[in-house]
Amino acid sequence: GENVEQHPSTLSVQEGDSAVIKCTYSDSASNYFPWYKQELGKRPQLIIDIRSNVGEKKDQRIAVTLNKTAKHFSLHITETQPEDSAVYFCAVPRGTYKYIFGTGTRLKVLA
Amino acid sequence: EAQVTQNPRYLITVTGKKLTVTCSQNMNHEYMSWYRQDPGLGLRQIYYSMNVEVTDKGDVPEGYKVSRKEKRNFPLILESPSPNQTSLYFCASSLTTTPDTQYFGPGTRLTVL
Repeated sequence: GENVEQHPSTLSVQEGDSAVIKCTYSDSASNYFPWYKQELGKRPQLIIDIRSNVGEKKDQRIAVTLNKTAKHFSLHITETQPEDSAVYFCAVPRGTYKYIFGTGTRLKVLA
Repeated sequence: EAQVTQNPRYLITVTGKKLTVTCSQNMNHEYMSWYRQDPGLGLRQIYYSMNVEVTDKGDVPEGYKVSRKEKRNFPLILESPSPNQTSLYFCASSLTTTPDTQYFGPGTRLTVL
């Protein structure tokens, strides 16, 4: 079955630096790759997603890159700000209806 | 306002006392799902529903039941809760059944003593 590994589990960066979080999956049929952000005490919310027909997608300071051959996708946050501090989750569909989430990355942006 | 709601938000109960956590969405979404979130384990899918009267198991369905009698509602039922079901529960919905953005409810923190 589908397996998702997310690294690192914690990440501290200085404000203004970049942060990169990576997820590796096992099912080559997967075709949708979202990233969710969960602030402390809040619900997860989608911040960016990518489908398998593109290799990169950007939205202001956030980007996701996909390497289908190597079966991994990464979240890139540039010019980090304190409000970027949160837990980030990747997710991969298993088949059509199930989802497997990564175990999360706690990002801390130091002012 | 488009949203997913859950009730209750917090619940402390005792082992064996049946409980229901409600979930409702007002976006006419086809797909609904329940997750539990535990430290270090991320979000794990309990059950999901593709449409009214169509539900199936996720990765951790033991001890839970669901029903989807109406499109907007997807309650989670714990018929005999046990301490290992102490967790943070999230309901989510998605417009279609093909993989797409999931919109999460605010969460229900359940403690089973």
